[in-house]
Amino acid sequence: QVQLQESGPGLVKPSETLSLTCSVSGGSISGYYWSWIRQPPGKGLEWIGYMYYSGRTKYNPSLKSRVIISINTSKNQVSLKLSSVTAADTAVYYCAREMGYYDSSDYYDPDAFDIWGQGTMVSVSS
Amino acid sequence: DIQMTQSPSTLSASVGDRVTITCRASESISSWLAWYQQKPGKAPKLLISKASSLESGVPSRFRGSGSGTEFTLSISSLQPDDFATYYCQQYNPYSRTFGQGTKVEI
Repeated sequence: QVQLQESGPGLVKPSETLSLTCSVSGGSISGYYWSWIRQPPGKGLEWIGYMYYSGRTKYNPSLKSRVIISINTSKNQVSLKLSSVTAADTAVYYCAREMGYYDSSDYYDPDAFDIWGQGTMVSVSS
Repeated sequence: DIQMTQSPSTLSASVGDRVTITCRASESISSWLAWYQQKPGKAPKLLISKASSLESGVPSRFRGSGSGTEFTLSISSLQPDDFATYYCQQYNPYSRTFGQGTKVEI
């Protein structure tokens, strides 16, 4: 079955760039939207953005100026870069697969996040 | 962007109780709504998609309903394994947003 595994530094200094990778195993990255979602300690979930395997992206407006999501189809990986981090970016970061699909008319029918990684904790501190 | 408001934030209940959680969208999202269960230290688990479609393997005591702007998640007879935090999430074609969560506690 498809599994997701996030990886990256657990500690990032303020003003620097947070970089995480989500490795997809047991299935292809193709044909799906892949999202990053975060959860500050003791708080709720915040959607960061998504990328379709072919390159289409959309970001949360509140983070748009600092976020880049990319995909490496040859490595079956999805990456997140969040620049100019502050303590407010301290959170568990999850990657997740969206189980929507494109129909024969090329209309995308969105759906929920059916597969999640275990999450990786990132702290922003000097 | 669409805002999702869950109520209550915390719900105290006992094993065997029927519980209901409400999620309201700031504008119509048709049936583009999912419910997740999250336990401490774990990733969220998808329970219901498309407002009322139960995921495979999820017990039938979970039920989702609603469309447009008002949705509910009901648990017909609360079991010990159900004490957790529940999130709604909208996924219209233009954005993704989570509710703030409802903690179901003893």
